Amino acid sequence: AQTVTQSQPEMSVQEAETVTLSCTYDTSESDYYLFWYKQPPSRQMILVIRQEAYKQQNATENRFSVNFQKAAKSFSLKISDSQLGDAAMYFCAYRTRNSGNTPLVFGKGTRLSVIA
Amino acid sequence: DTEVTQTPKHLVMGMTNKKSLKCEQHMGHRAMYWYKQKAKKPPELMFVYSYEKLSINESVPSRFSPECPNSSLLNLHLHALQPEDSALYLCASSQVSIRGGRYNEQFFGPGTRLTVL
Repeated sequence: AQTVTQSQPEMSVQEAETVTLSCTYDTSESDYYLFWYKQPPSRQMILVIRQEAYKQQNATENRFSVNFQKAAKSFSLKISDSQLGDAAMYFCAYRTRNSGNTPLVFGKGTRLSVIA
Repeated sequence: DTEVTQTPKHLVMGMTNKKSLKCEQHMGHRAMYWYKQKAKKPPELMFVYSYEKLSINESVPSRFSPECPNSSLLNLHLHALQPEDSALYLCASSQVSIRGGRYNEQFFGPGTRLTVL
């Protein structure tokens, strides 16, 4: 079974600074997806960024980028120019790339605080 | 319309009550999901519907009864719940994934905060 580990229960960052959230995972599969989801206090889960395992290039979405190290099974999220609205719970998630709508496997989450 | 709506936003019920949670999407998605999320924990999958048929049931107690009456609606019927069932219940939807195909993002609703007294 796949597992996802987020070793940082809480992180904080000054506004406009850069922060990196860590995620490692364990799988025997070679083809899968990795995600970072954001859940602000409003509760809605929002997809921040997605990485397909067969792509070597790291995904980027505006101020959000990932460092995907397939051999090390590491998938960290970098948030640049942090904003107050980035404060939220961040979940790293894994999903196998097959049919049948297999579920997302979530890490335990990292709570990010942004200090003005 | 890229929205998943859930009603009610909050629900308080006694252990003998029967209530239902409702989820709706109009994105043409044919896969819908129920998750349970306790405070400061990640979501836990409960059920998956694919083309209105139950495809995954993660050994959820029978006091939770899902229903997918059509491709846009997903219900979760609640009966004889326990206080430990108090949680945030999230609904999500996506296109049905095909092996080797592109990932179809799961869109989440805002959730129903359930309190069982």
